[in-house]
Amino acid sequence: SSALTQPPSVSVSPGQTAKITCTGETLANSYSYWYQHKPGQAPVVVLFQDTERPSQIPERFSGSSSGTTVTLTITGVQAEDEADYYCQSGDSSGTSDVVFGGGTKLTVL
Amino acid sequence: EEQLVESGGGLVQSGESLRLSCAASGFSLSMYWIHWVRHSPGKGLVWVSRIDRDGTRTAFADPVQGRFDVSRDNVKQTVFLQMNALRIEDTGTYFCSRAGTQGFDLWGQGVQVTVTS
Repeated sequence: SSALTQPPSVSVSPGQTAKITCTGETLANSYSYWYQHKPGQAPVVVLFQDTERPSQIPERFSGSSSGTTVTLTITGVQAEDEADYYCQSGDSSGTSDVVFGGGTKLTVL
Repeated sequence: EEQLVESGGGLVQSGESLRLSCAASGFSLSMYWIHWVRHSPGKGLVWVSRIDRDGTRTAFADPVQGRFDVSRDNVKQTVFLQMNALRIEDTGTYFCSRAGTQGFDLWGQGVQVTVTS
């Protein structure tokens, strides 16, 4: 299965904008998903199908897609957003491979 | 409340076996594909296995192919991950997750598996 590449870490100050990229060939023809994972907790989906946001996720989370790169953007970062973020590709209800990126540690300074 | 609860983890030696369970409540398990995902420090989230709604189709990541098996009992609302010939690199927290229309939209709290030499 194809690999997904993310930066290991991103640091921003509160109120700033954080952008986390995810690159992989599979993203050219597959939707992406983003998960927030805090220590000791279950992961939470924050974006699905590249740009869609679950109803319970704040509007400051948004997504974009261009070719083989997708981007998670957090506008007006808050301290509670500090977490690991993982991109994922593949059809979770189908036969295509499910792949996670290596994860990005978002640090709120 | 919709919930997934994993159990069955523990500390084992290399080569031994464990059987993890994932119990669902608050929704009908038979309507969803279920996946197992492992988290370990330094490796992050890694997809392990999936099973379709009625258990007829399964798939596994290459490192566990031939050693792990997945099954389900929709009447008992439970999915199982049988892990044989465990290796040190299988160590981590194992999550079961529900595949919904919005990706993996429900996760369990995770269960720790530690494999020692």
